[in-house]
Amino acid sequence: QKEVEQDPGPLSVPEGAIVSLNCTYSNSAFQYFMWYRQYSRKGPELLMYTYSSGNKEDGRFTAQVDKSSKYISLFIRDSQPSDSATYLCAPGSGYALNFGKGTSLLVTP
Amino acid sequence: DTEVTQTPKHLVMGMTNKKSLKCEQHMGHRAMYWYKQKAKKPPELMFVYSYEKLSINESVPSRFSPECPNSSLLNLHLHALQPEDSALYLCASSHAGAAGEAFFGQGTRLTVV
Repeated sequence: QKEVEQDPGPLSVPEGAIVSLNCTYSNSAFQYFMWYRQYSRKGPELLMYTYSSGNKEDGRFTAQVDKSSKYISLFIRDSQPSDSATYLCAPGSGYALNFGKGTSLLVTP
Repeated sequence: DTEVTQTPKHLVMGMTNKKSLKCEQHMGHRAMYWYKQKAKKPPELMFVYSYEKLSINESVPSRFSPECPNSSLLNLHLHALQPEDSALYLCASSHAGAAGEAFFGQGTRLTVV
């Protein structure tokens, strides 16, 4: 079993929809939980990070971590075509970021 | 400033060439990383420097040689690469101790011919 599981999609939604992206992980030692957005042929962009269970909100984005079930989510409200990208979850500890495979999201006008 | 700058953006090199990739950050981060990313795959960790000392080497072949001249700069020296080494090479930086809140550069797209 891989340490981090993430459905690669692709996920296609209409503009304005609420998007839910999810990962599961197996290593209970993970201390921090990151979400990166990556546009084609660009480097990953840090979107959200959290160090504890619960919700963290930043504008249209909400990151949710449930350590008891080892489940990580990213919600995008009022999705825009510019949100079309690959979203990578990356839980980790120490210097090791453990990337999921990434979910490809397409928001259609 | 949350920018990690990588040069060059693109590089084509022959299998007998020697080239270097450069990375720079001015966020005061004392941990710097090299990652390799193949198409439609997540980034894979290659090296970690902490306080300018090599902290992690993920069993990377010796044809890749990292160097950290100071706290703001990170180099990756390339020699005798193979076509399968063609990939996007990403530099990242974070506060020392943990990769949480690591910021990535835009990468160098390397093609080995």
